[in-house]
Amino acid sequence: KQEVTQIPAALSVPEGENLVLNCSFTDSAIYNLQWFRQDPGKGLTSLLLIQSSQREQTSGRLNASLDKSSGRSTLYIAASQPGDSATYLCAPPGDDKIIFGKGTRLHILP
Amino acid sequence: DTGVSQDPRHKITKRGQNVTFRCDPISEHNRLYWYRQTLGQGPEFLTYFQNEAQLEKSRLLSDRFSAERPKGSFSTLEIQRTEQGDSAMYLCASGSRQASSGNTIYFGEGSWLTVV
Repeated sequence: KQEVTQIPAALSVPEGENLVLNCSFTDSAIYNLQWFRQDPGKGLTSLLLIQSSQREQTSGRLNASLDKSSGRSTLYIAASQPGDSATYLCAPPGDDKIIFGKGTRLHILP
Repeated sequence: DTGVSQDPRHKITKRGQNVTFRCDPISEHNRLYWYRQTLGQGPEFLTYFQNEAQLEKSRLLSDRFSAERPKGSFSTLEIQRTEQGDSAMYLCASGSRQASSGNTIYFGEGSWLTVV
């Protein structure tokens, strides 16, 4: 049974800082891992998809890494901006249902 | 716009009434997922379909909940005899199961339910 843990649960940092969000999962039999962003009251927006054969993926100021053997993924946000404030969720899809963690609530202080 | 649409976006209903939500997935996607989310929590898995077949239903769901995907396209989630504890956002996601990439999923904007 897949379990997903995200650390920290919440994070407040001043604008401009680089930060790292962590995701760990118990079942490494996954095809890929997705990172999502969720604004309050909205659905989830896909940020990055890392294939199981890849170790990392980059999109703009975002970089995500995946270590299947240790069951971990990190999302690195460079030069954070107030617009990055949101909840960030990871999901490691397996062959069937997709389980989410509780997410990291990020607040970037202007 | 992810291409996944949900309707209605907001629903206020009295306790005991039935409600139905609809999800239209991305047309070429064969998998469709329903989740429930309450404040401060991650999306909680409810059920998912591959084409028209319902492959799994969460044990958290009571018999008051039913989902269908009759032609493998749109899906409906019905809640009968609503209770205040059903108040939440109901999220739909769609994806394609491909051996090379597993499940890449896209979410709709969600349907908010308030039971009064």
